[in-house]
Amino acid sequence: SQTIHQWPATLVQPVGSPLSLECTVEGTSNPNLYWYRQAAGRGLQLLFYSVGIGQISSEVPQNLSASRPQDRQFILSSKKLLLSDSGFYLCAWSQRKGYGYTFGSGTRLTVV
Amino acid sequence: AQSVTQLGSHVSVSEGALVLLRCNYSSSVPPYLFWYVQYPNQGLQLLLKYTTGATLVKGINGFEAEFKKSETSFHLTKPSAHMSDAAEYFCAVSSDTGRRALTFGSGTRLQVQP
Repeated sequence: SQTIHQWPATLVQPVGSPLSLECTVEGTSNPNLYWYRQAAGRGLQLLFYSVGIGQISSEVPQNLSASRPQDRQFILSSKKLLLSDSGFYLCAWSQRKGYGYTFGSGTRLTVV
Repeated sequence: AQSVTQLGSHVSVSEGALVLLRCNYSSSVPPYLFWYVQYPNQGLQLLLKYTTGATLVKGINGFEAEFKKSETSFHLTKPSAHMSDAAEYFCAVSSDTGRRALTFGSGTRLQVQP
């Protein structure tokens, strides 16, 4: 069966520090991968999506970036965090030609 | 472009009462529609989805939703609320073209009163 792992679960980082959140999927190949952010009291915003290794599409201009170094690995990064980067970050995957979306358990990021 | 509107950011019902969470969508192509539930500090769990076929979709935990193309709606219902249903619910839309990414509504927080 397919599983998705996302870590860390919580993170407190100072302003200006770097960020690396990792997401891996098991039990499938060639998944579509997504990073969403959920700010306090708001809905979910798509940040990045990827349809293959090295293929990243950005939805919202910001100081975050994403990379997909392996088929089932998706990384969200920042060189210098801002206070506004605080939020709940969710990784998700879907089958390339399917309709299901499965989410990871999320990372609560607090920038102080 | 696709969009989702969830009417009511907060809904409160009594235990045992009908749950109705409203969702309207906008899509220029045939939509795929989803309802997700989120418990505090957790990821999203799929309740149900509509892709093609029968317009009344049954999901987990006794929830169901009906796709009404003429009304561009996909409202979520449950005949009898349980305390454990208290959570945030998100409606989402995607399509068979483009990036296949979900566009979410802003969410509805459901409270269940004893």
